[in-house]
Amino acid sequence: EIVLTQSPDFQSVTPKEKVTITCRASQSIGSSLHWYQQKPDQSPKLLIKYASQSFSGVPSRFSGSGSGTDFTLTINSLEAEDAATYYCHQSSSLRGTFGQGTKLEIK
Amino acid sequence: QVQLVESGGGLVKPGGSLRLSCAASGFTFSDYYMSWIRQAPGKGLEWVSYISSSGSTIYYADSVKGRFTISRDNAKNSLYLQMNSLRAEDTAVYYCARVAWYYDSSGLGTYYFDYWGQGTLVTVSS
Repeated sequence: EIVLTQSPDFQSVTPKEKVTITCRASQSIGSSLHWYQQKPDQSPKLLIKYASQSFSGVPSRFSGSGSGTDFTLTINSLEAEDAATYYCHQSSSLRGTFGQGTKLEIK
Repeated sequence: QVQLVESGGGLVKPGGSLRLSCAASGFTFSDYYMSWIRQAPGKGLEWVSYISSSGSTIYYADSVKGRFTISRDNAKNSLYLQMNSLRAEDTAVYYCARVAWYYDSSGLGTYYFDYWGQGTLVTVSS
């Protein structure tokens, strides 16, 4: 099983700050890495697919990068509505796996 | 717009069974793979199972293999998850999600979950 490890687990940030969340895979997964946002008491929503492609309707402040084993989700100029838990997900193997999540708190 | 609405969750005793349903609308259901993903209370996401558009290809997580059965009825635009021999560790919110595929320039495909339902809570407890 491919293990995804996200860092940090938790981050407290101020509005307008730039945030970087990383996701490391236990083996190379090419670009088969996707990012989801889950706000409290809501279902997850797709942000980024295939490492760097923004999903329709996602604000341009969200971007993704990386390939192989190391990936990054960047949020430029954080807004209060971005308070959420962010998950990476790999689908290099048909039995996909998720990272443990990164919770963002807005100060 | 794409809508996925789960139902069928509830409280069940260990060893019991439950059948979840997911009603899809706003897209051609028979064109898409579908998946179930769960989230234990206060925990992260765990992929459970997925099924191809025709139902001919099915995969399960090791944690549910042999106990859960995924199926679909394309005529009814519905996805199902039959859960048997339930355990306390199966307690979770169960989401259905639409599976989308991306193909790179070499033709290699990878999937992701582009739309999710609101989830249905399954509680396994005596």
